[in-house]
Amino acid sequence: KQEVTQIPAALSVPEGENLVLNCSFTDSAIYNLQWFRQDPGKGLTSLLLIQSSQREQTSGRLNASLDKSSGRSTLYIAASQPGDSATYLCAVRPRDSNYQLIWGAGTKLIIKP
Amino acid sequence: DGGITQSPKYLFRKEGQNVTLSCEQNLNHDAMYWYRQDPGQGLRLIYYSQIVNDFQKGDIAEGYSVSREKKESFPLTVTSAQKNPTAFYLCASSFFLATNEKLLFGSGTQLSVL
Repeated sequence: KQEVTQIPAALSVPEGENLVLNCSFTDSAIYNLQWFRQDPGKGLTSLLLIQSSQREQTSGRLNASLDKSSGRSTLYIAASQPGDSATYLCAVRPRDSNYQLIWGAGTKLIIKP
Repeated sequence: DGGITQSPKYLFRKEGQNVTLSCEQNLNHDAMYWYRQDPGQGLRLIYYSQIVNDFQKGDIAEGYSVSREKKESFPLTVTSAQKNPTAFYLCASSFFLATNEKLLFGSGTQLSVL
């Protein structure tokens, strides 16, 4: 059974630092992995989607990597800003489903001014 | 502007009462989904619909019901059979039920028990 874990559950860093968020999964049979952002009391916004055949995806200050063989993905945020404060969630699409996403519980990120 | 609208933002349920959460989209998406989010846990799929007049149970459908009479609308009813309904409910949609489709989410409804 696929399980997705995000450690740490919370992270607080000073503004301007580069940081890495982690996501691990137990089964490498996936179609893709996605990273989402959730602001308090709000819905989710899709940040990046990495196909199983890809190693990384970039959007602005965000870079997501995927190492399927080791069951790991990282979300790198460069030059962090207070506006980056949010909860970041990752989700994997299992290879045996076209509708299911298996979700991590998220990492709550606080960027201190 | 196109998007997904969930209402109400906050909802309170009395014991033994059924309540309905609204989800409307004007994106011309075929697929729609309902997720439940509890603190410290990943999202869990309640129901999903691939097309009008068709819907399927997700992982935690017990105590919930849905309908899909119109492409734009996918309301979720939390019935009295759901004994622990307090959670944040998220509606999502995508063009198709396909492996590489990105989901677009509504802003959520917080349901609490009085």
